[in-house]
Amino acid sequence: LAKTTQPISMDSYEGQEVNITCSHNNIATNDYITWYQQFPSQGPRFIIQGYKTKVTNEVASLFIPADRKSSTLSLPRVSLSDTAVYYCLVGDDPYAGNNRKLIWGLGTSLAVNP
Amino acid sequence: KAGVTQTPRYLIKTRGQQVTLSCSPISGHRSVSWYQQTPGQGLQFLFEYFSETQRNKGNFPGRFSGRQFSNSRSEMNVSTLELGDSALYLCASSRGPRGGGYEQYFGPGTRLTVT
Repeated sequence: LAKTTQPISMDSYEGQEVNITCSHNNIATNDYITWYQQFPSQGPRFIIQGYKTKVTNEVASLFIPADRKSSTLSLPRVSLSDTAVYYCLVGDDPYAGNNRKLIWGLGTSLAVNP
Repeated sequence: KAGVTQTPRYLIKTRGQQVTLSCSPISGHRSVSWYQQTPGQGLQFLFEYFSETQRNKGNFPGRFSGRQFSNSRSEMNVSTLELGDSALYLCASSRGPRGGGYEQYFGPGTRLTVT
């Protein structure tokens, strides 16, 4: 099973950089790593996805070491509106048949304080 | 373009009844996945449909079922409702199968309350 482990909660202040690390020791060769953000009473929203090394978009960066057993989501200069739950997801291989399950953890609840 | 839509947004049912939830994916998306979200369990995968075929299924009892139509719209059905089925049911669509580099786009969810 492609299980992930993240901190349950984190606190930060406006303007700071926030790094959330996710552990995925049994990641498979074809798995991608995806991060989602969820606000209360809304569906999760895609933030960033990567396979290896570093990926950057307009809202975040994703760092993946060579062994791919962990990944770090980096949010630069957070604001109050970044207060949300962040999920790390390791995707099952769509070509491996129906024997791999996609598991979402409880995510990391990030609180950004003024 | 329009996002993922789910109907109804809110639903109240009593134990023993059955319910059908609907999801319309983003135009051009062929994969639809369903999730159940509760405060204690977080997001749990129910099943995924791709091109009208169920590709993957989570660990839920047979009371939970789904289907996908030729226009990629999907429905999920829960029969013989139990109190524990109260949850937010989320639908997500993507261009291709989950995990293969295709990002998922989620709908706002259907809040089901079973009394």
